[in-house]
Amino acid sequence: EVQLVESGGGVVRPGGSLRLSCAASGFTFDDYGMSWVRQAPGKGLEWVSGINWNGGSTGYADSVKGRFTISRDNAKNSLYLQMNSLRAEDTALYHCARGGGLYYYYYYMDVWGKGTTVTVSS
Amino acid sequence: EIVLTQSPGTLSLSPGERATLSCRASQSVSSSYLAWYQQKPGQAPRLLIYGASSRATGIPDRFSGSGSGTDFTLTISRLEPEDFAVYYCQQYGSSPLVLTFGGGTKVEIK
Repeated sequence: EVQLVESGGGVVRPGGSLRLSCAASGFTFDDYGMSWVRQAPGKGLEWVSGINWNGGSTGYADSVKGRFTISRDNAKNSLYLQMNSLRAEDTALYHCARGGGLYYYYYYMDVWGKGTTVTVSS
Repeated sequence: EIVLTQSPGTLSLSPGERATLSCRASQSVSSSYLAWYQQKPGQAPRLLIYGASSRATGIPDRFSGSGSGTDFTLTISRLEPEDFAVYYCQQYGSSPLVLTFGGGTKVEIK
């Protein structure tokens, strides 16, 4: 079964850091680009960041550029999101998602995890 | 960055009726690289349509997508009870390789 399982969410103070992980299974992880997508409480979907199959190309939303870093470890079938200088507006459910085409992240997203919750609060 | 505007914000319909959802882009979406998703409360989004009009695996044929350039439409021909949800459009393949979602349309039971 194709599956994505996120972890690492929690409560953090403004200015703090958190590292999210996404464990992939059921498919050849290094054939696909991957993304992080978040959803603030009661709000819509916001793409956060994406990474190509080999980590050679990444992209970020303007709202997180310079603060968040996406990475992957293909040997561990894992995707990561390092989040620094967190703000209250980063509070959201963070999903990892698989790019729908081979190798690149800038596609539609055909497999989604259930998400991990990040709360930024003092 | 391409901005996607979805309308209406909320659509109140009865089961069996036809739903027409709009997604308008601030600039032309290259090669019709537009997708539609369905999201139900407490669930992850589910891919419905990609490439503006291709149905994803397992999606019933009552869902159809159309459009090109800056104007796209998701049509649900006859609403089933399980179709009441929030729908999002998303563009991909633009430069500088930033993905964007529309704000969503909620389809609710009238």
